[in-house]
Formats: sequence, structure tokens, C-alpha cells
Amino acid sequence: ETGVTQTPRHLVMGMTNKKSLKCEQHLGHNAMYWYKQSAKKPLELMFVYNFKEQTENNSVPSRFSPECPNSSHLFLHLHTLQPEDSALYLCASSQEIPWGLNTEAFFGQGTRLTVV
Amino acid sequence: KQEVTQIPAALSVPEGENLVLNCSFTDSAIYNLQWFRQDPGKGLTSLLLIQSSQREQTSGRLNASLDKSSGRSTLYIAASQPGDSATYLCAVSRGSARQLTFGSGTQLTVLP
Repeated sequence: ETGVTQTPRHLVMGMTNKKSLKCEQHLGHNAMYWYKQSAKKPLELMFVYNFKEQTENNSVPSRFSPECPNSSHLFLHLHTLQPEDSALYLCASSQEIPWGLNTEAFFGQGTRLTVV
Repeated sequence: KQEVTQIPAALSVPEGENLVLNCSFTDSAIYNLQWFRQDPGKGLTSLLLIQSSQREQTSGRLNASLDKSSGRSTLYIAASQPGDSATYLCAVSRGSARQLTFGSGTQLTVLP
């Protein structure tokens, strides 16, 4: 158990469906992240939340909608996705400390999303 | 914009060999550098974290070095084992939220 739990592990959805990915961290961290990992490409940062506030949206299409109700939970709401959105979606958390130091980032096992 | 490059993209070695994986980054203004391991279809497992003020970190058979001024890091794996087979990812922390920028990874295969 890594301390970061993602559900579901696998998801198949149609282009007209609405679904949500869930991430929960048990590490007491104050920052959470969504990353997308497509085949043959580096991990791409999607969203960053610090103390429940969104601090970065990396030009992500509006069909992806993040939600961070508290510092332990992060959701990614999905609607009207495209087949090219099929990928491994990874959640991570870390503890942001002032003056440039911060702890390791811990990742969940990911949700393998297939859009049909 | 920060770019992270990992060389080689793939590496196959016989069991027992010592090996070095390379990572380079274009912007030396980083907070830290982290090495991860990823098994097929799985999430990332953190291996080592080097703060920008440090030169190296060691954990078991792994040793990571950081030369911030030249924008380079290496991951040294001693006495490789088949269980070390995985993709190794390098990531640098940047920006106000310390988010990570990743390289494309090195896919390592250790042959028994």
C-alpha cells in the first residue's frame, strides 16, 4: 500500500458517459496532483491542488473537471471524452514545505481508462 | 519550459552487471529531483529523492547523483537482478507548487 489509493483501477466508458475517478491519500499531505500517462509519452501534469486550492490547470480540456473537497481527497470528473483520452491517470500527493524543500511525491496505482 | 531527457530509452543487461541510467534537464532552477520505478500497467514507486542542495542519495543497491549546474543526474544500480526489470523515470520539481516534470523513462530488462 503506497498511501495513495485510486479507484477504480480500470474503467471503460462510452463517449457520452459521465464518470468520476477518485483519489485518497492517507499521508497527511497538503498537495495533490492529477497526471496523465499516454503510451510512448512522458507523464503530463493536469492539475495541482495546494491546501484544497487549485494552483495549476495545465491547459486541460474542460471535459476533465477536478474537485478537491478536502486535503485528503481528489476527484477527476469525466464527461463526453474522446478515444484519445484513453490513458493511465495517476494521482499523487506530497507535502509542500516553505523555502524550496518538499517531501517525496507518492503516487497511486492509477486508473486505466478506455474510452470507446 | 523545463524539458527532461532520459538516455538510453531502453537497456538490456545480464544479471549481475552494474549499470547507469542518465537524466538531463534544461532548467537548473529546480527544487529537487526524484527517481521512480514503474512496473507495466502500474503506478510509480519512489526510489530516491535528492534535494537541490544535495549531491547524492543512496538506498541499498541504488545510488543517485545530482549535478544541478550541468543539469544532470545519474542512477547507479549495482549488481542488477531480474527483479530490477522495470521502467525508470526521472522527474524534477519546479514551479510554485513544486509539481514534477518527467522524462520519458528508461526501460530496463535484466536477463537471468
